[in-house]
Amino acid sequence: GENVEQHPSTLSVQEGDSAVIKCTYSDSASNYFPWYKQELGKRPQLIIDIRSNVGEKKDQRIAVTLNKTAKHFSLHITETQPEDSAVYFCAASKGNYGQNFVFGPGTRLSVLP
Amino acid sequence: NAGVMQNPRHLVRRRGQEARLRCSPVKGHSHVYWYRQLPEEGLKFMVYLQKENIIDESGMPKERFSAEFPKEGPSILRIQQVVRGDSAAYFCASSRDRSYEQYFGPGTRLTVT
Repeated sequence: GENVEQHPSTLSVQEGDSAVIKCTYSDSASNYFPWYKQELGKRPQLIIDIRSNVGEKKDQRIAVTLNKTAKHFSLHITETQPEDSAVYFCAASKGNYGQNFVFGPGTRLSVLP
Repeated sequence: NAGVMQNPRHLVRRRGQEARLRCSPVKGHSHVYWYRQLPEEGLKFMVYLQKENIIDESGMPKERFSAEFPKEGPSILRIQQVVRGDSAAYFCASSRDRSYEQYFGPGTRLTVT
């Protein structure tokens, strides 16, 4: 089955700097890759997603890149703010049948003021 | 996303009791997914249901756990004879038809004493 790895497990950046989180997946049939942000005690919230027919997607300060050949995708957050502090999870799915997501273990991002 | 409702938000059960967790999907969503999250860990898929059907239960333990999504009413995740190891946050998510985006509820935090 699918296996998703995520690095780093923790990341501290200064406010205003950029943060990059990387994920790799094992199943070449996976074609949908969402990113979720989870604040302490809250629900995971979808922040951006990418499908396998695109290489990059941007939404204001957040971008995701996908390299299908290497089977990895990354989340980029620019101009980080303290409210970006949270745990970020990547996931992969085949998508065709609304299938379950396989999540990475998460990255705890701390943005220091 | 804010439309996925779960109750109760917190549930305390003694070992051996039953736990019933409810999930009402976003209005118009007919696909429901249940995930379990242990403290400081990622989300693990348990079961995927459509109205009146279990589509994929590959992540759900064979014993003591069951799930349903009846024609009317919320989806129910039922855990019989709970043990301490069942203590976790249980999240449900919903999606519209076979679209990719899954939106999460606020979770039920189960504590087994």
